[in-house]
Amino acid sequence: DQQVKQNSPSLSVQEGRISILNCDYTNSMFDYFLWYKKYPAEGPTFLISISSIKDKNEDGRFTVFLNKSAKHLSLHIVPSQPGDSAVYFCAASEDQGGSEKLVFGKGTKLTVNP
Amino acid sequence: DTEVTQTPKHLVMGMTNKKSLKCEQHMGHRAMYWYKQKAKKPPELMFVYSYEKLSINESVPSRFSPECPNSSLLNLHLHALQPEDSALYLCASSQRGEVHQPQHFGDGTRLSIL
Repeated sequence: DQQVKQNSPSLSVQEGRISILNCDYTNSMFDYFLWYKKYPAEGPTFLISISSIKDKNEDGRFTVFLNKSAKHLSLHIVPSQPGDSAVYFCAASEDQGGSEKLVFGKGTKLTVNP
Repeated sequence: DTEVTQTPKHLVMGMTNKKSLKCEQHMGHRAMYWYKQKAKKPPELMFVYSYEKLSINESVPSRFSPECPNSSLLNLHLHALQPEDSALYLCASSQRGEVHQPQHFGDGTRLSIL
């Protein structure tokens, strides 16, 4: 069973517009959520995170929104740039005996067209 | 530039070989992780070390043997692997503390089993 779901395998947007990537989760024990960006032949790069006690976190062009009642989070990128083209992974964390277990979604490939 | 360094970047080995993957970080992180990522799939957690002690083993076969010799180093010893073990192996590290901290990934070792 997939505990973290990214239902859109791909997304294409124009440069300068907003990119919205969505993520749903099923495990109510998750209390920390992260977004990673991955380029080919590189490891995932941490972008932004949010704790379950918040509903919004902003860092420059990146904003993450969390709706706990809907078990849904989204990543907004404004304005989108061609360099943002990558695969974006949503991840959720559960504390297991003091150690963090990170569960990833399958990823959304974002293409930003010039 | 990633601050988690993994060597080698690529490894080809036969099913009877013994090899090791290495991971190093100098960020003072006290939690280190091994993940396995198959093509077009998300990373999947294998092991977690917290303060140099194994805290999570996600039912990984014994042909994978992790080792954490000190707070900066993490090894993954490989023996008698199967062709289906071919994958990208990612190492990550994070701070340990009262609040959640993001995991930072290396660029991985691309492993091919002949």
